[in-house]
This record gives sequence, C-alpha cells and structure tokens, in this order.
Amino acid sequence: NAGVTQTPKFQVLKTGQSMTLQCAQDMNHNSMYWYRQDPGMGLRLIYYSASEGTTDKGEVPNGYNVSRLNKREFSLRLESAAPSQTSVYFCASSEGVGMNTEAFFGQGTRLTVV
Amino acid sequence: QKEVEQNSGPLSVPEGAIASLNCTYSDRGSQSFFWYRQYSGKSPELIMFIYSNGDKEDGRFTAQLNKASQYVSLLIRDSQPSDSATYLCAVTVGGATNKLIFGTGTLLAVQP
Repeated sequence: NAGVTQTPKFQVLKTGQSMTLQCAQDMNHNSMYWYRQDPGMGLRLIYYSASEGTTDKGEVPNGYNVSRLNKREFSLRLESAAPSQTSVYFCASSEGVGMNTEAFFGQGTRLTVV
Repeated sequence: QKEVEQNSGPLSVPEGAIASLNCTYSDRGSQSFFWYRQYSGKSPELIMFIYSNGDKEDGRFTAQLNKASQYVSLLIRDSQPSDSATYLCAVTVGGATNKLIFGTGTLLAVQP
C-alpha cells in the first residue's frame, strides 16, 4: 500500500527555472495539501484542495501554483524558482469528511534553488 | 499572530519523566486537533487526535483539549530516549474547509 507518493525526492534548480512537484495518493482521500518546512518554522501550508475540483491558498502561496488533476493527484508548480524557495516540501492527504481530517504525508521533496 | 503556536524548545526531560507539550490556537471554530511526531529527516506521523474537551489517553500518551482556553496539550509518560523528536500540533481552521494548520513544533530531548 503506497499511501502518498511524491516525486522527485531531491531536486536542484537554478534561479528562474521552473519545475513541478508531483503527488499522488491511493487512499481515495478527498483533501490534499502542500506544505513547506524550513528550519524552526514548522510546516507551513502553501495550497490545499478540500475536494476534487477545488483549490485554495494557504499561509504562504506566493510563487506557487497548484493543480488538482483528479482525485488522486495534486501537483505544485514553481514558475520561476527563487533561493527563498529552498525547502523541504511535503504533500499530504486526508479523508477530509467531518472529523476525519487525519493527514497522511509523503516522504518529502528536498529542493535547493541556487 | 500565528494561527497555531507552540514553544519551539528544546524541552529536555530525563528518561522516565513526564514530558508536557503545549499548543494554543486562535480560531474558535476549530474542531479537530492533532499531535504529530517528526524524527529528523523523516515525514510527520500522527500520534493522537482529539475532538472533544477533556482528556484522551492512548498508551503512554494523553492529549488534553480545552476549547474555552483554546489550548491543547500532549503528555508523554515514562519518556524514553526514542521519544526524542519534534512534536507538531495541528489544528483544522476555516470551518468546513478542513484547512490543516501546523505549529512550529517543539523539539523534545529525552536524556538517558
């Protein structure tokens, strides 16, 4: 049972380059999330999708775009990478119905922008 | 003001002691509260969730919720060195949107 799968695990980008982080879940969850984690900052919500077809901004959306491609997949795009976007990115999913909001996490993507 | 606040620590306790981790939140409409544990270089994993005021116990862990004070805590009894990790408090905000917001985490160090 794969759970939440993120690709790639590691990536180095040059300033100004673009890339898309991929996330897929096989738990038939409604809600999906993208977080970034920086030292001492905890997990900060970038974007989330409460259900298929909807997306909303989180705490730190600037510089990012997302696509909820279908119920399984939620991608995060950096159009023009900046050194400030160097971080560990986590995708998560939850059933998102009523009280069932326990989130399950992918293994993370370590992104370095030089 | 952050929506979810935690003391970043580090919190150092001796092996066998009780570790007490605290969290406050700002959205009075929040309904679901979670504690996650994160080892260095790993993904967060769920330890406890609590939805109602009061205490909820699971083995050595007890979560406590006080909605009137907008306060949630985690007690770890008989702390072990393997409990050394960052503990993240998470809260759903925004009513029915299930937006899940995390605190900055508290680093716990259990000394053998």
